[in-house]
Amino acid sequence: QVQLVQSGAEVKKPGASMKVSCKASGYTFTTSGISWVRQAPGQGLEWMGWISTYTGNTNYAQKFQGRVTLTTDTSTTTAYMELNTLRPDDTAVYFCSRGELPDPFDFWGQGTMVTVSS
Amino acid sequence: SYVLTQPPSVPVAPGKTATITCGGDNIGGKGVHWYQQKPGQAPVLVISHDSDRPSGIPERFSGSNSGNTATLTISTVEAGDEADYYCQVWNSGTDHYVFGPGTKVTVL
Repeated sequence: QVQLVQSGAEVKKPGASMKVSCKASGYTFTTSGISWVRQAPGQGLEWMGWISTYTGNTNYAQKFQGRVTLTTDTSTTTAYMELNTLRPDDTAVYFCSRGELPDPFDFWGQGTMVTVSS
Repeated sequence: SYVLTQPPSVPVAPGKTATITCGGDNIGGKGVHWYQQKPGQAPVLVISHDSDRPSGIPERFSGSNSGNTATLTISTVEAGDEADYYCQVWNSGTDHYVFGPGTKVTVL
């Protein structure tokens, strides 16, 4: 069965960087891209960007351009999301999800809570 | 940028029908997807491409899309349907995904 398993919760200081992993299993990794979505406490879903697991091409939401980097490691079927220069309002649950552009996201990771606080 | 609108909340009695709308400029020309999210859980895709139901989603969930409004309909609502529901589109103008603000369905 398709599974996306994310790394554990993190606490970061303002100005630091974070890197969340998303380990995929149960399907051929390179047949479907990975999107990252975040959700601040009590707020809605916000799409951050997408990466092709086949070519490595990326598509970033304008809001995160220059601050987010999406990568994949096909040898370990793992996708990564790195966000730099963290601010308190980056405190959120970060989800990875599976889907090719422009299709919907059919499977999601369990989410990773990241808290940014001094 | 493309903006989607949803009512903040929709109350519904058990056994009745819940109707959740998603508004956007000519949204009928786009494919709309709907997600259900229960507290503390990841979202689950319940309707794709306006009206397709993924495997495992009950027939009680249906969708439509025309003009400036897409609609998710939940028939014969059950207590377990209480959740937040989000619509999503692909905005070809910016090549970005857009989510609606979400609607909380409360089963009375």
